[in-house]
Amino acid sequence: KAGVTQTPRYLIKTRGQQVTLSCSPISGHRSVSWYQQTPGQGLQFLFEYFSETQRNKGNFPGRFSGRQFSNSRSEMNVSTLELGDSALYLCASSLGSSGSKDEQYFGPGTRLTVT
Amino acid sequence: GESVGLHLPTLSVQEGDNSIINCAYSNSASDYFIWYKQESGKGPQFIIDIRSNMDKRQGQRVTVLLNKTVKHLSLQIAATQPGDSAVYFCAENRGNAGGTSYGKLTFGQGTILTVHP
Repeated sequence: KAGVTQTPRYLIKTRGQQVTLSCSPISGHRSVSWYQQTPGQGLQFLFEYFSETQRNKGNFPGRFSGRQFSNSRSEMNVSTLELGDSALYLCASSLGSSGSKDEQYFGPGTRLTVT
Repeated sequence: GESVGLHLPTLSVQEGDNSIINCAYSNSASDYFIWYKQESGKGPQFIIDIRSNMDKRQGQRVTVLLNKTVKHLSLQIAATQPGDSAVYFCAENRGNAGGTSYGKLTFGQGTILTVHP
C-alpha cells in the first residue's frame, strides 16, 4: 500500500507570494492533518480535514488555509508569505473513523523556503 | 500552556545497548500517546502507540510504558542499532474532547538518539 505523498518536495518563494501544497493520503484514509515543523517551534498542528470538512484548527493566522477533495486529497495554502513561514510542512493521514484516536501516518513533507 | 515535553534532548548509546527515551506530559486528560521516529530529510515514522487504559505495550524491539500517576511516558528500544539513530518524538492526543481533539497531535520537542557502532 502506498504511503502518504506530498508535492512538491521543495519550494522557494518570495515574501508576499502565496503557495499551495498538496497531500495524497493513504488509500482508504479519510482524515488529513497538516503540521508545520520548525527548529524553534517544533511540530505544530495547523488543521485537520475529514470528508471535505475542516474539523479542527490550530493557532495559526488566517493566511493559512486548506481544503479537502472528495477523494480525500488535501491542499493547504499560505497567502502573503512571510520569512517566518519557512518550514517543513507535513501532512498525516488516518482512517478518521474512530474520532481522534487514530494512528497518523506522515508524508515526507514539503520544505518551503521564503526569501 | 499545556504541552508534552522531553527530559533529555540528546542520548548517545553503544550499539547493542538498550535505550530509554522519556517524555513528560502535563494534561491529565490526555488518553492517547504515540512515539514517532524522524530521520533526517524524512517525515515522522510511526513506531508505537498506547492508550490510557494500558500501562505497557510492546512492539518489535520497542516497549512503551505509561505512568499516569506521574504523567510520564517512556520508549524503550532493545539492542539499539545504528539504524535507530534519529530524533524521537512523543505525541499526545487529548482524546474525546470533541472538535478540539480531531486529528490534533501535540508533540514534544524531541530527543536525538545517536547510536555508536
